[in-house]
Amino acid sequence: AQSVTQLGSHVSVSEGALVLLRCNYSSSVPPYLFWYVQYPNQGLQLLLKYTTGATLVKGINGFEAEFKKSETSFHLTKPSAHMSDAAEYFCAVSTTGANSKLTFGKGITLSVRP
Amino acid sequence: GAGVSQSPSNKVTEKGKDVELRCDPISGHTALYWYRQRLGQGLEFLIYFQGNSAPDKSGLPSDRFSAERTGESVSTLTIQRTQQEDSAVYLCASSPVPGFGDYTFGSGTRLTVV
Repeated sequence: AQSVTQLGSHVSVSEGALVLLRCNYSSSVPPYLFWYVQYPNQGLQLLLKYTTGATLVKGINGFEAEFKKSETSFHLTKPSAHMSDAAEYFCAVSTTGANSKLTFGKGITLSVRP
Repeated sequence: GAGVSQSPSNKVTEKGKDVELRCDPISGHTALYWYRQRLGQGLEFLIYFQGNSAPDKSGLPSDRFSAERTGESVSTLTIQRTQQEDSAVYLCASSPVPGFGDYTFGSGTRLTVV
């Protein structure tokens, strides 16, 4: 079984400040890890994913995340927030192999203050 | 098609009526997934298709929910005798090969039961 924990439901930062969205996972096998973003009234857009290889993953819009197996974490960061980053962010985990599926966290709403 | 297409984009129905939601995956994608997103919640897995068989339907919340898929093409999610708690956004995703972390989501169908 696999699960994702995203603590808190809302994060607010000032424009230009560091963005840090936390994600911890539980998986009985080596996981694939994902961050998705959802803008209001839109579908899910993949920000970045970790499958194998380098543990620091760079995604779109200046976001990156680091897979830390020892901490079972995959926190999302961006050095400098932009107003356009305001959205809901979902962390997800999947296993490899047939019948794998994405399991999502509850999501975090990011607000960016001018 | 170029992306995952879902229809209708919005559906308002009266309590007790049946509804059908449609998902047209990316051509050649063998795996298809349905998720539900209720207001303020994360995404709940409903059902997974590999071709036209459903090896994992563990997320269907009740026997009022059913889904089918024609070959490696269109899928239909049917909700019978809708209830107000069925109000949600229903998202479909497809993947070329399951287990390799490559999922593409549609924009969803927003279902409102009144």
